Amino acid sequence: AQKITQTQPGMFVQEKEAVTLDCTYDTSDPSYGLFWYKQPSSGEMIFLIYQGSYDQQNATEGRYSLNFQKARKSANLVISASQLGDSAMYFCAMRGRTGTASKLTFGTGTRLQVTL
Amino acid sequence: DVKVTQSSRYLVKRTGEKVFLECVQDMDHENMFWYRQDPGLGLRLIYFSYDVKMKEKGDIPEGYSVSREKKERFSLILESASTNQTSMYLCASSHLTRRLAGLSEQYFGPGTRLTVT
Repeated sequence: AQKITQTQPGMFVQEKEAVTLDCTYDTSDPSYGLFWYKQPSSGEMIFLIYQGSYDQQNATEGRYSLNFQKARKSANLVISASQLGDSAMYFCAMRGRTGTASKLTFGTGTRLQVTL
Repeated sequence: DVKVTQSSRYLVKRTGEKVFLECVQDMDHENMFWYRQDPGLGLRLIYFSYDVKMKEKGDIPEGYSVSREKKERFSLILESASTNQTSMYLCASSHLTRRLAGLSEQYFGPGTRLTVT
């Protein structure tokens, strides 16, 4: 079974500062995928960034980067130069195998508040 | 752009009513999913489908059923709604992938906030 742990229920960061959202995972599969999603107050889940377990380099997408430490089973999201629009819930997820298709297992989320 | 739509943003139903939540995607995705989201619990998978008329139970299927008669449409059914089914329901879709380490992100709909009174 897969498990995702996000230990920070809430985080504050000042505008223009960088922030790291923690995510640790547990799986026995040698092959897996890690995802981060953003959920603003409107409710829609927005895909941010992806890391495959075999990827040699950490994923980056604009101001988002994923600090992937495979031995420690961590996949932290780093947001650089925070903006007020980054205030949202952030979910870490992992794709694992169940039945015929793969599925995502989500963490409980971190609520990020960006302040002036 | 991928678009996943859900039939209602907000829904209020009475205990015991039969409730249908509809989800439609326009990207020819093979996989479709239904999640519920509750504070402090994250998203939990109810059911998913990897093909027309095919379905598999997720982590919390009790009290729910699903229907997928067409590739683009996936319905979640609450046969007899109860107050503990008050929640946010999210539908998602993705391409089929057999590679766990391959990128095949799920695209989500806007969610339906269901209240059962």
